[in-house]
Amino acid sequence: AQTVTQSQPEMSVQEAETVTLSCTYDTSESDYYLFWYKQPPSRQMILVIRQEAYKQQNATENRFSVNFQKAAKSFSLKISDSQLGDAAMYFCAYRIGGGGGADGLTFGKGTHLIIQP
Amino acid sequence: DSGVTQTPKHLITATGQRVTLRCSPRSGDLSVYWYQQSLDQGLQFLIQYYNGEERAKGNILERFSAQQFPDLHSELNLSSLELGDSALYFCASSMGGLANSPLHFGNGTRLTVT
Repeated sequence: AQTVTQSQPEMSVQEAETVTLSCTYDTSESDYYLFWYKQPPSRQMILVIRQEAYKQQNATENRFSVNFQKAAKSFSLKISDSQLGDAAMYFCAYRIGGGGGADGLTFGKGTHLIIQP
Repeated sequence: DSGVTQTPKHLITATGQRVTLRCSPRSGDLSVYWYQQSLDQGLQFLIQYYNGEERAKGNILERFSAQQFPDLHSELNLSSLELGDSALYFCASSMGGLANSPLHFGNGTRLTVT
């Protein structure tokens, strides 16, 4: 079974600084997708960024970027120029490829990100 | 706004009771997923439907069941409720069954079992 591990239960960063959230996963599959979701206090799950395992290039979305190390099975999220609105729980998630998406996302336990003004 | 609608937002009920949670997916999305979020278990995948058919099952208890109707809305039925079933239940939808289709989540239903 696939597992996703987020080793940092909580992280704190000063506003405008850069922070990196860690995620490792365990899988024997070669075709899969990785995601970062954000859950603010409103509790809605919001997709931040996604990465296809077959792509070597790291995904970026504005201030959010990932460092995808396939061999190490590592998928960290970097948030640049942190803003107060970035404060939330961040979940790393894995999804097996192929099979028509017939499987749900496997989530990590989450990292609570605190932004210090 | 994700476009996924879940009702009700909050539900308080007693042990042994049965409740139904409802989800309307985003327009055009054929897949619906149900997740349970609790403090101790985190986010757990329960079940997926695709165009009315069950597609995948996760950690769903036998006391729980779901279905997706012809209009693509879905319902999650929870019966013989226990205190431990108190959690946030999310519905998510995606365009097709493709693994790279992002899931769009509703705001969840907060279930409290007393």
